[in-house]
Amino acid sequence: AQSVAQPEDQVNVAEGNPLTVKCTYSVSGNPYLFWYVQYPNRGLQFLLKYITGDNLVKGSYGFEAEFNKSQTSFHLKKPSALVSDSALYFCAVRDRSNYQLIWGAGTKLIIKP
Amino acid sequence: SAVISQKPSRDICQRGTSLTIQCQVDSQVTMMFWYRQQPGQSLTLIATANQGSEATYESGFVIDKFPISRPNLTFSTLTVSNMSPEDSSIYLCSVGAGLNYGYTFGSGTRLTVV
Repeated sequence: AQSVAQPEDQVNVAEGNPLTVKCTYSVSGNPYLFWYVQYPNRGLQFLLKYITGDNLVKGSYGFEAEFNKSQTSFHLKKPSALVSDSALYFCAVRDRSNYQLIWGAGTKLIIKP
Repeated sequence: SAVISQKPSRDICQRGTSLTIQCQVDSQVTMMFWYRQQPGQSLTLIATANQGSEATYESGFVIDKFPISRPNLTFSTLTVSNMSPEDSSIYLCSVGAGLNYGYTFGSGTRLTVV
């Protein structure tokens, strides 16, 4: 069965430190992988995607993610966290045989000044 | 990417009534998706709406409770019928912009049923 796991409900990082939000997936074949961010009382905003090509993907707001096929992971990273990065982050995967997204449970990222 | 206008942004409704949520897209899209999200939690797909055909509902969601219209390639509505407090949630519409692009979301409708 297809699935996405975000093992951490919450990640706490001090401002200026690097951050990582973890995501692993299970899907048949090669997946499309996405990261979205949701700020309080807002809709979801697209951050970045992996479709094919370079395993390191750069996205919005200085975020990047690395696709690791052997570990079936797609962790979100940022070299230096900002307080304004505090939000709810979702990893999603789309099986290439259909159009639906499989969503992770979400990780609340808290950046402390 | 597509821009979605979703209305209303929030509403407080009496139990037993119905609410229709509208999503207008600024470009033609084949597939639209309707989700439900409890605050702070993940998204649950309600149905996929294709223009010219009936919506495809996920397990646990039925057309009588969540009728969907998709009259053209830029517009869709979701109705939450005969509401109960358990229907209180955030409802989101989404569109895909082609195989190589991400999915765009409306700003959401926060529904409270009292």
